[in-house]
Parts: sequence; C-alpha cells; structure tokens
Amino acid sequence: EAGVTQFPSHSVIEKGQTVTLRCDPISGHDNLYWYRRVMGKEIKFLLHFVKESKQDESGMPNNRFLAERTGGTYSTLKVQPAELEDSGVYFCASSQLPVNTEAFFGQGTRLTVV
Amino acid sequence: GENVEQHPSTLSVQEGDSAVIKCTYSDSASNYFPWYKQELGKRPQLIIDIRSNVGEKKDQRIAVTLNKTAKHFSLHITETQPEDSAVYFCAAPAYSGAGSYQLTFGKGTKLSVIP
Repeated sequence: EAGVTQFPSHSVIEKGQTVTLRCDPISGHDNLYWYRRVMGKEIKFLLHFVKESKQDESGMPNNRFLAERTGGTYSTLKVQPAELEDSGVYFCASSQLPVNTEAFFGQGTRLTVV
Repeated sequence: GENVEQHPSTLSVQEGDSAVIKCTYSDSASNYFPWYKQELGKRPQLIIDIRSNVGEKKDQRIAVTLNKTAKHFSLHITETQPEDSAVYFCAAPAYSGAGSYQLTFGKGTKLSVIP
C-alpha cells in the first residue's frame, strides 16, 4: 500500500515568491490534515479536509495560505507571498476516520524562505 | 481547545537503560492518546496509542500508561537500543467544532541512546 506522499521534499524560495506544496494521501482516506513544524517547536495543526471540504481551517496562520483538495484526492497548500516566518517543515497526514484512529504522515516538505 | 505539555525536551540514556517521557493534557473529553516517533529526516510514525478505557498498554519494549484523573500519560521504553534514538511526540485530540477533531501535539522529546 502506498503511503502518504508529499512533493517537493525541499523548497528554497525568496521572500515574496509563491510556493505550492502537494500531498497525495493514502487511497480511500477521506480525512486529510496539514501540519507545520517550525524549528524546534511542536507540530501545529493547520487544517483538516473531509473529502473535498474544509472541515476545519482554524490553524491557518493568515490569508497568505490557501489549501485546496479538488475532487477529494490530492491536496495543495499554496503560500503567497511567502514570508521568512513561513519557513519550516510542512507535514500532510491522512486517516480513514476523523478521530481516535491512526493518522499516517507524509515525509514532509522542508520550506526555507530566504 | 486542547493544550499538551511534554517533558523532557531532551533525554540521554545509556543503552540498555529505560527512558520515560511524560505528557499532560487539558481537555478532559480527550480519549485517544497516540505517540509518534520521528527519526532524523523521516516521517513521524505511530508507535503506540492508548484509548481512555484502559490504563496501560504494552508492545514489546514500549508501554504507555494513562491517568485520566490527573490528565497525564507517559511513554516507557525499556532496554533502550541505539535505534530508539529519535524525536518522540505525544498527542491528544482536540474537538474544534462541526464534527472536526485534530491532533494537538506536544513539543517533542529528543531521545539519544548512548551505546
């Protein structure tokens, strides 16, 4: 069974540029989550999709972040324009059920804004 | 919302010794507590989880204990090996409305097992 895959694995961009991260969840997993870990800090929740719908986007830092999940399959997270504080590792996770069940993580995208 | 505190932030043990990592949570309604292990450069992976209807769960050298009254849970690793070296995260679910739960993570514990 293929796991959660994320692309790219690393991205270095200049402040003010745009970056789009992609996540392919495990097939059949309706629940898809985006998380972010800033250097040395906890993994923080960004948002939760159920199929193509945004169930909860309370963790999105500001309106420079836009997440989509067209067709309820893969998801993208766009940062536009990127700021220095956006640097970190962005993780995607998916699960069959929304609660009390294992969430499978992707390998993460390390974003560096310079 | 849920608040998860994790201690210690770093832990060094000699190979063969035990390691204990502790977490506290704030939401008394939380009923699922997973532990994730993240090796350097790799994805976080679930190593053990516990639900609130039990107080302890074991899987070979790993065990998790839960005290719902005190709202804390702990990870115990016995007979540590160098391959146990990693960052460990505890988590608890947070209900954020409209039927949505998401995991709130602790800040992580960097465990180093010294050969």
